[in-house]
Amino acid sequence: KQEVTQIPAALSVPEGENLVLNCSFTDSAIYNLQWFRQDPGKGLTSLLLIQSSQREQTSGRLNASLDKSSGRSTLYIAASQPGDSATYLCAVEGGYNFNKFYFGSGTKLNVKP
Amino acid sequence: NAGVTQTPKFQVLKTGQSMTLQCAQDMNHEYMSWYRQDPGMGLRLIHYSVGAGITDQGEVPNGYNVSRSTTEDFPLRLLSAAPSQTSVYFCASRTIRDRETDEQYFGPGTRLTVT
Repeated sequence: KQEVTQIPAALSVPEGENLVLNCSFTDSAIYNLQWFRQDPGKGLTSLLLIQSSQREQTSGRLNASLDKSSGRSTLYIAASQPGDSATYLCAVEGGYNFNKFYFGSGTKLNVKP
Repeated sequence: NAGVTQTPKFQVLKTGQSMTLQCAQDMNHEYMSWYRQDPGMGLRLIHYSVGAGITDQGEVPNGYNVSRSTTEDFPLRLLSAAPSQTSVYFCASRTIRDRETDEQYFGPGTRLTVT
């Protein structure tokens, strides 16, 4: 069974700092990996999707990388802002079972003004 | 496009009661799924469907039933609610034309409490 782990569970940084969130998965036979943002009491908003054949994907201040062979992905946030405060979740599709998505438990980010 | 919609937003049930959580999407997506999210945990897949008339189990299917009679709707039924089913439930949808590139889109969630 695919296991997805996110470290750290929580992170507090001052505004303006660059930061990295980590996601690891146990089975490298994935179709894609998706990063989401979740605000308190809300649903999930997709940030970036990396295909299994890609190494990285960028959107604005966000850059996500994927190393399938080592089972790792990172989400890099440049010049963090208080509005970036949220929980960030990664999810992989595939592994032992396709059509199934496996989520990490998330990293709760707090960016202090 | 309304995207993925869920009703109700909040629900309180007594143990043993049954209810149906509604999910609808207007993007003509083949794939729809239900997740539950418990405090401090990621989302866990309950059931999913790859098209009308086709459903399958996810990680935590016990106590839940689904059916998919149309492309747009994917209701989740709790047959006999238990306190362990207290959670936030999310519905999601996506196309499956290209598995590598198609993102999942999520509804706003239903917060369910079973007393």
